[in-house]
Amino acid sequence: AQTVTQSQPEMSVQEAETVTLSCTYDTSESDYYLFWYKQPPSRQMILVIRQEAYKQQNATENRFSVNFQKAAKSFSLKISDSQLGDAAMYFCAYSAGNQGAQKLVFGQGTRLTINP
Amino acid sequence: NAGVMQNPRHLVRRRGQEARLRCSPMKGHSHVYWYRQLPEEGLKFMVYLQKENIIDESGMPKERFSAEFPKEGPSILRIQQVVRGDSAAYFCASSPGLLYGYTFGSGTRLTVV
Repeated sequence: AQTVTQSQPEMSVQEAETVTLSCTYDTSESDYYLFWYKQPPSRQMILVIRQEAYKQQNATENRFSVNFQKAAKSFSLKISDSQLGDAAMYFCAYSAGNQGAQKLVFGQGTRLTINP
Repeated sequence: NAGVMQNPRHLVRRRGQEARLRCSPMKGHSHVYWYRQLPEEGLKFMVYLQKENIIDESGMPKERFSAEFPKEGPSILRIQQVVRGDSAAYFCASSPGLLYGYTFGSGTRLTVV
């Protein structure tokens, strides 16, 4: 079974600094997708960034970028120029690309605090 | 586009009662997924439905839980004879197809007293 591990329960960063959240996963599939979701106190799950495993280029969305290391099964999220609104729980998630159901497997989450 | 609508936002039930959670997917989305989030944990997959069909219910508890997505109307997650351990946030997500990402609703927080 696929598993997703986030080894940092909590992280904090100074406003305007850069922070990296770690995620590792375990799978025997070759075709899959990886995601980072943000969950602020409102509880809404917000997609931050998505990476297809077949793409070697790391995904980037404005201040958010990933470091995807397929051989190491590592998928870290880098947040540049941190803002107070970035404070939230961040979840790494995996989805097998060739399954009939695109169910997501989530990690335990990392709580990110932004210090002003 | 109103997004994925879940109601109620909060639901309180006494032990032994039934809980019905509703999810209206985004317009044009025919795939619905239900997830459960226990306190301080990530979301856990429960069930995947398309209109009138359950595609994958591998994450559903064998007893007391059921889900449907009728031809007309919202998807319903039903929990019969609720127990304290059912207290959690239940999230619905919808998608237009397997190769597209999800859009999540804001969740229903179920509290069993």
